[in-house]
Amino acid sequence: ETGVTQSPTHLIKTRGQQVTLRCSSQSGHNTVSWYQQALGQGPQFIFQYYREEENGRGNFPPRFSGLQFPNYSSELNVNALELDDSALYLCASSRMRNTEAFFGQGTRLTVV
Amino acid sequence: SQELEQSPQSLIVQEGKNLTINCTSSKTLYGLYWYKQKYGEGLIFLMMLQKGGEEKSHEKITAKLDEKKQQSSLHITASQPSHAGIYLCGAPSSNFGNEKLTFGTGTRLTIIP
Repeated sequence: ETGVTQSPTHLIKTRGQQVTLRCSSQSGHNTVSWYQQALGQGPQFIFQYYREEENGRGNFPPRFSGLQFPNYSSELNVNALELDDSALYLCASSRMRNTEAFFGQGTRLTVV
Repeated sequence: SQELEQSPQSLIVQEGKNLTINCTSSKTLYGLYWYKQKYGEGLIFLMMLQKGGEEKSHEKITAKLDEKKQQSSLHITASQPSHAGIYLCGAPSSNFGNEKLTFGTGTRLTIIP
């Protein structure tokens, strides 16, 4: 068990709604990254937060946004949900620079 | 952009046999992470290889990084049912570490008794 926890574990939303996913990073880690994993695919990088600042973003539209709090936990917000947003959302925590990145168990989001 | 190709895509192995999974990058590898995933669950960290031809072992799993070939391999010795799952390789976008990992599409490993 890694100590990275995500909530909720499962979520069903309607197209057009907004959703917030949460991630508590492992103790001692100051960096959180978010990934989207579609069925049968590898995880795709959404963005990373380091000490409450965005530190890199993947090819995702602005309706995907995030926050990192002083305790290094993080939120992923998705506005105007689309059917294609249905996926497993994973967060990973780490210390910066060439260290292991540990993942949470993921949040399964279904958009109907 | 970087792409990682894993081979094979799926593998069925009899319990007790050895197996190898490969991960080949389209660009320079600054390091390589191996993870295992049970269907629909989070990723379990296996090993991190840093630049320089590194090789690491943990229990019955050995991973190697060949930077010249832009390739990494994961070898499992005497496979067990607990080794079943999806194996994913991930590579950082720069030599600064893990700020953005690009993943392969995974290798699905099935162990038959």
